[in-house]
Amino acid sequence: KAGVTQTPRYLIKTRGQQVTLSCSPISGHRSVSWYQQTPGQGLQFLFEYFSETQRNKGNFPGRFSGRQFSNSRSEMNVSTLELGDSALYLCASSLNSLAYEQYFGPGTRLTVT
Amino acid sequence: GDSVTQMEGPVTLSEEACLTINCTYTATGYPSLFWYVQYPGEGLQLLLKATKADDKGSNKGFEATYRKETTSFHLEKGSVQVSDSAVYFCALTSGGGADGLTFGKGTHLIIQP
Repeated sequence: KAGVTQTPRYLIKTRGQQVTLSCSPISGHRSVSWYQQTPGQGLQFLFEYFSETQRNKGNFPGRFSGRQFSNSRSEMNVSTLELGDSALYLCASSLNSLAYEQYFGPGTRLTVT
Repeated sequence: GDSVTQMEGPVTLSEEACLTINCTYTATGYPSLFWYVQYPGEGLQLLLKATKADDKGSNKGFEATYRKETTSFHLEKGSVQVSDSAVYFCALTSGGGADGLTFGKGTHLIIQP
């Protein structure tokens, strides 16, 4: 069974631009979560989607948004990029909304210049 | 809110040495506890988990026991290998998955031949 895939793997953007990252969960998984990983703050929860609905959101500004499609694929968008948004963005999928076991993708490395 | 504290390292050991990485947590209710491992350039892989007090998770020679009385989930291995070199994250979730995982800062483990 294929794992969680994320595209693109690497991205360079300029401050003020916006970016969209994509995540395809493991087949059959309906819950998708997003995390931001930085050297200073570590791993932080962004939001979680289940059946196309955002169930919870971490402590991030409204510039960070996401959505989930009917096939469970998910996208996250960051508008008006800031230098501090440079990070590894990880997507994780799990079987259903009550599943504790999350499987992570390789991440998208975003660099904002 | 929930929090996880773990030694950050780097922790440097010789091959075949014994390993202990300490992890303590603060959480409401009865969290599930996890250890994840991140190899260079990759996403996180679930190493082991425990969902209730006194449970012992184990995988690939690693073990950790859920100690409610000391709010700890220390990772142990009897004999480490060079291939165990990676960053190890202790994590918990207490929201049925909807609140996402709360991670420690990660412990960088370096095993020397």
